[in-house]
Amino acid sequence: KNEVEQSPQNLTAQEGEFITINCSYSVGISALHWLQQHPGGGIVSLFMLSSGKKKHGRLIATINIQEKHSSLHITASHPRDSAVYICAVRAGGTSYGKLTFGQGTILTVHP
Amino acid sequence: GAGVSQSPSNKVTEKGKDVELRCDPISGHTALYWYRQSLGQGLEFLIYFQGNSAPDKSGLPSDRFSAERTGGSVSTLTIQRTQQEDSAVYLCASSLFAGEYNEQFFGPGTRLTVL
Repeated sequence: KNEVEQSPQNLTAQEGEFITINCSYSVGISALHWLQQHPGGGIVSLFMLSSGKKKHGRLIATINIQEKHSSLHITASHPRDSAVYICAVRAGGTSYGKLTFGQGTILTVHP
Repeated sequence: GAGVSQSPSNKVTEKGKDVELRCDPISGHTALYWYRQSLGQGLEFLIYFQGNSAPDKSGLPSDRFSAERTGGSVSTLTIQRTQQEDSAVYLCASSLFAGEYNEQFFGPGTRLTVL
């Protein structure tokens, strides 16, 4: 079993829909990252969080440390949100630089 | 520079040859990371550097892989005697420090194809 599991693996939505991508992890962590990868490969860091909730524009990320679970929400989805969304964790007690990644969620938003 | 840059953007090589991949981090960033993304697979940590400390090499898949960072800035990932399973996109990232609260900024990657 992977240390970081994302669901769903694939997600198709209509423009305007509310989207949720989930990430569960099995190890104690010090931080969790949400990344976005567009076709063509460029990766952008969306959020980095260790507790609570963060919001940036239409994106919201939450984390529940006790349940070892994080969610990424997209409100009023748009075709330009189509990308791969990747959850990554920094395990507590390991070297600060080492991230462990989920397998990614492929999101397609249709107009 | 404005962001992390990597070169070359694409590299095609023959099995058994050595390759060098280069990463220029954001100026002033003390931490530098190398990752690999194989076709159909997720991202995989390879190695990271923090300042003058010994690098964390725990993700390197074999002794054919090595990396160095000269002068605390540019880094080179070297793969010796390449194999077809080395084909992947190699991504570099940098952050101000390696602490857990530091955002990582990714380069565009180098797509390596081993024939």
